[in-house]
Amino acid sequence: EVQLVESGGGLVQPGGSLRLSCTASGFTFSSYSMHWVRQAPGKGLEWVSYISSSGSTIYYADSVKGRLTISRHNGKNSLYLQMSSLRDEDTAVYYCARYDYQTFVPWGQGTLVTVSS
Amino acid sequence: EIVMTQSPATLSVSPGERATLSCRASQSVGRNLAWYQQKPGQAPRLLIYGVSTRATGVPARFSGSGSGTEFTLAISSLQSEDFGIYYCQQYNNWPPWTFGQGTKVEIK
Repeated sequence: EVQLVESGGGLVQPGGSLRLSCTASGFTFSSYSMHWVRQAPGKGLEWVSYISSSGSTIYYADSVKGRLTISRHNGKNSLYLQMSSLRDEDTAVYYCARYDYQTFVPWGQGTLVTVSS
Repeated sequence: EIVMTQSPATLSVSPGERATLSCRASQSVGRNLAWYQQKPGQAPRLLIYGVSTRATGVPARFSGSGSGTEFTLAISSLQSEDFGIYYCQQYNNWPPWTFGQGTKVEIK
């Protein structure tokens, strides 16, 4: 079974840092591009970042550029999101998702990041 | 950036009735359009891609249509497990990949 499990969320003060992880199983992780997508409380879905299968191509949403860094370790079947200079508006559930046939499938269960003093 | 606009924001439907959800793109996305379903407390789930191709395990009562800038998701006979929020998403011009704001399908 294809599975994605996020971890690392929590409460952090404005300006702080946090590192999210997404552990993949049930498929050849190194063959797939991956995404992070977030959802603020009660709001819709916002694409955050993309990384190609090799890690050579990376994209960010303008809202997070320069503050969030996506990376992956194919040997550990893991995707990461290093978050720094966090703002109140970064509060959201963060989902990792596999990129397959140009769609997001499947999604992990999400991890909640709360930025608050 | 392509802006995706969904309507209505909320759709009240009785079980067994048909539901029709709309999605409009600010510029043509060809047939590069997907629909996702999200139930409370759960992650989104891919329903349809390529406008009209159902993802694995998606019941035949879900159907998608349209092209260019106007798209529709139809649920032919709403079941209790179909209530939730539905998002359209374009993957024609990226980055960024963009989602609509969602349509909530609720019990009438």
